Amino acid sequence: EVQLVESGGGLVQPGRPLRLSCAASGFNFDDYAMHWVRQAPGKGLEWVSGISWNSGYIGYADSVKGRFTISRDNAKKSLYLQMNSLGADDTALYYCAKDLRTVVTGQIDYWGQGTLVAVSS
Amino acid sequence: DIQMTQSPSSLSAFVGDRVTITCQASQDISYYLNWYQKKPGKAPKLLIYDASNLETGVPPRFSGSGSGTDFTFTISSLQPEDIATYYCQQYDNLPRVTFGPGTRVDIK
Repeated sequence: EVQLVESGGGLVQPGRPLRLSCAASGFNFDDYAMHWVRQAPGKGLEWVSGISWNSGYIGYADSVKGRFTISRDNAKKSLYLQMNSLGADDTALYYCAKDLRTVVTGQIDYWGQGTLVAVSS
Repeated sequence: DIQMTQSPSSLSAFVGDRVTITCQASQDISYYLNWYQKKPGKAPKLLIYDASNLETGVPPRFSGSGSGTDFTFTISSLQPEDIATYYCQQYDNLPRVTFGPGTRVDIK
């Protein structure tokens, strides 16, 4: 069974950094691209970032480009999201998600339960 | 970026009713469209990929159609467990995947 378990969320002050992690199990992690998707309170889904199986291809939403960095450690079966210069607009539930392919196709077939990030002073 | 719109934003129907949701892309995305179901407190679930293909294990009352800019998602016979918000998502303009604003489905 595919499992994606996010961690690292919490309350953070504006401008401070935060690092999210996602532990994957139940599939060959290094065979698939991965994504971060977020949902702000009362809002819809917003794709944040995606990374190919070997980290050779990385993409970001314009809203986070230059502030967030996605990375992965295939040996640890883990996905990460380093978030810097956080603002109130970054408050959201952050989902780790698996792509259908090794390359970033955007076709997401499994999602974690999410980790909540709240940016407030 | 490609913008996605959905209509209606919400609907209420009886159990057994046929429910249809439309999704429109701001430019041609061929068939590069998914449909997801999102229940409160739950992770999104992929229902339809490539506009019209049913994901494994998804009940056949769910279906999708369309290509280019106009897409349709249908629940042929609404069930109580289908109460959720449904999102379309384009993946033509990689890496900038975008979702529609969602359609909330309730039971009358």
